[in-house]
Parts: sequence; C-alpha cells; structure tokens
Amino acid sequence: DTGVSQDPRHKITKRGQNVTFRCDPISEHNRLYWYRQTLGQGPEFLTYFQNEAQLEKSRLLSDRFSAERPKGSFSTLEIQRTEQGDSAMYLCASSLGIGLAANTGELFFGEGSRLTVL
Amino acid sequence: KQEVTQIPAALSVPEGENLVLNCSFTDSAIYNLQWFRQDPGKGLTSLLLIQSSQREQTSGRLNASLDKSSGRSTLYIAASQPGDSATYLCAAFSGGYNKLIFGAGTRLAVHP
Repeated sequence: DTGVSQDPRHKITKRGQNVTFRCDPISEHNRLYWYRQTLGQGPEFLTYFQNEAQLEKSRLLSDRFSAERPKGSFSTLEIQRTEQGDSAMYLCASSLGIGLAANTGELFFGEGSRLTVL
Repeated sequence: KQEVTQIPAALSVPEGENLVLNCSFTDSAIYNLQWFRQDPGKGLTSLLLIQSSQREQTSGRLNASLDKSSGRSTLYIAASQPGDSATYLCAAFSGGYNKLIFGAGTRLAVHP
C-alpha cells in the first residue's frame, strides 16, 4: 500500500518559467486536493477534484495556475510565468469522498513539492 | 466562513512534561477535525481524526478532544520527548466547504 506521492520534491526555477507538479493519490481514493504552504503558515486550499471533475477552486488560484486530473487518477498542477511570490511548498492530498458508508473523510498528504522562484 | 486558530504559536518545554495544544474553529458545523504533525521541510502526517459525533480519540501518548458547541479541540501529549519536536496543525473539515481548513500551527520544541 503506497501513500500519496509527489514529483518533483524540489524545483528551482527562474521567474517567468513554467513549472508542473505531479501527484499520484492513494489508488482507491476518488478525491484529490492541492494545497499551498508558505513558511510559518498552515496549508491553504487551492483546489480539489472528485474523480476527474474539478469541483472547487480557491481565489488563490490565479489564471496562471491550472490543475488537471485526467481519468480520475494522477493530477498535475501547472504554474505558468512563475513569480517570486509563487515560492512555496505545494502539497497534494487524497481521500475517499464523504458520504460513503463508514468513511471518515480522512485526508492523507504527500511529502510536498517545494518550489523556489529566483 | 470557517476560520481555525491555534494557540500557542510556539512552545518550548523540557522533556517529560505533559502538554496541551489548543485549536478553535468558528463554524461548529464540521464533519470531522484532524490533527497533523509536520517536520521541517516535510509533508503532513495524520495523527488523529475526530468525527463530529465523537468527543475524543487516543493514540499512544496522544489524546485529542472535540467540543463542537464551544468550537474547540485540544491535543494532549503525555510525557513529551525530544522526538515530539515538530509543528502540530489542526484542521477542520466542513461538509459545506468540502475541504480542510487549517490553523497556522503550534511549533513545539522539547529539549532534553
């Protein structure tokens, strides 16, 4: 049983470049979440998917950000024209959707992808 | 709008002390509440989850309680050890919001 995996773990890029992060959730989980965390703060919600449908996006997710989850399995988060303010840890989590019998809705997080924009 | 607050922001204690970390939330209509541990530069490790119908959960030296009516949860750590040093995050899952809302965390240092 593998947990949530994220790739790459670290990414250093120059301002203006595009970056893409990948998340592989726990295999039977139908919900997938992206969060962003800056130093000294708690994670902030960006977006979530139920299967392949993106059901909610935060106002933090500007037009430069796009997330996909084709076929309801892995997900990618792309940031176009990166800015120094995008430097953060990007965390992915997965869960079974709430409402299913005996499901606690517990979220399981990956190790994160740390982005540094120079 | 759900807001989660954690007090204190930082805590430094000698080894062996019993600790209480506090978490408060503004919207009592939560589905569950999770406590996480985060080591520097790492992801989040789930410690305890309390369903809205439960009052507490225990795992080893950790005990978490939930009082929905007052909008509070506490994480109790018994006989603290240097290996407990980490940031502890509280997060409320509101059904209407379909996501976890996090506090800023309590940064714990346990010194020998």
